[in-house]
Amino acid sequence: AQSVTQLGSHVSVSEGALVLLRCNYSSSVPPYLFWYVQYPNQGLQLLLKYTTGATLVKGINGFEAEFKKSETSFHLTKPSAHMSDAAEYFCAVSEYGNKLVFGAGTILRVKS
Amino acid sequence: EAGVAQSPRYKIIEKRQSVAFWCNPISGHATLYWYQQILGQGPKLLIQFQNNGVVDDSQLPKDRFSAERLKGVDSTLKIQPAKLEDSAVYLCASSLEGRGTYEQFFGPGTRLTVL
Repeated sequence: AQSVTQLGSHVSVSEGALVLLRCNYSSSVPPYLFWYVQYPNQGLQLLLKYTTGATLVKGINGFEAEFKKSETSFHLTKPSAHMSDAAEYFCAVSEYGNKLVFGAGTILRVKS
Repeated sequence: EAGVAQSPRYKIIEKRQSVAFWCNPISGHATLYWYQQILGQGPKLLIQFQNNGVVDDSQLPKDRFSAERLKGVDSTLKIQPAKLEDSAVYLCASSLEGRGTYEQFFGPGTRLTVL
């Protein structure tokens, strides 16, 4: 069975600071990995995904994530936080691109 | 391109009542998903359709939840009777296909409150 653990239900950073949201996964097959963002009262929007190939994945809005198989991790980073990045972020794993199994989410707060 | 449409956006009912949610996926998308998102948790898949057939409903509480996707386009999710623990956001998503690298696109969700 697949599972996702997101470390830290709340993360607070200052505007301009590094954003690091942690995600560890469990999967019995090579995983497809995803990061989604959810703004209040909206659906989920895909930030980036890893399927195969290059382990450093770049997404929208300046976010990127690195797949580390040895650490079973897929942490999300952004060099400089912006106020508009405040939202809830979900990491998800999938077998062969089928159904998504989500983590519990991390709420990112950006302080001015 | 129009996104995934869902209605209603909000619904408040009393326990033991019935409720139905509607989803219209992106045109041409063969795969449709219903997820339940309880406050403080990540979305959990309830059911996956490929065209009008069910691919996965292993986590659907079938004693009270039902879903259909007639003609392989839009879909309805019904709860009858509702319980307090059904309070959640119900998200519909669609993708071109159910496997591979196809992105799932999510609708805005229906927020259900059961009193």
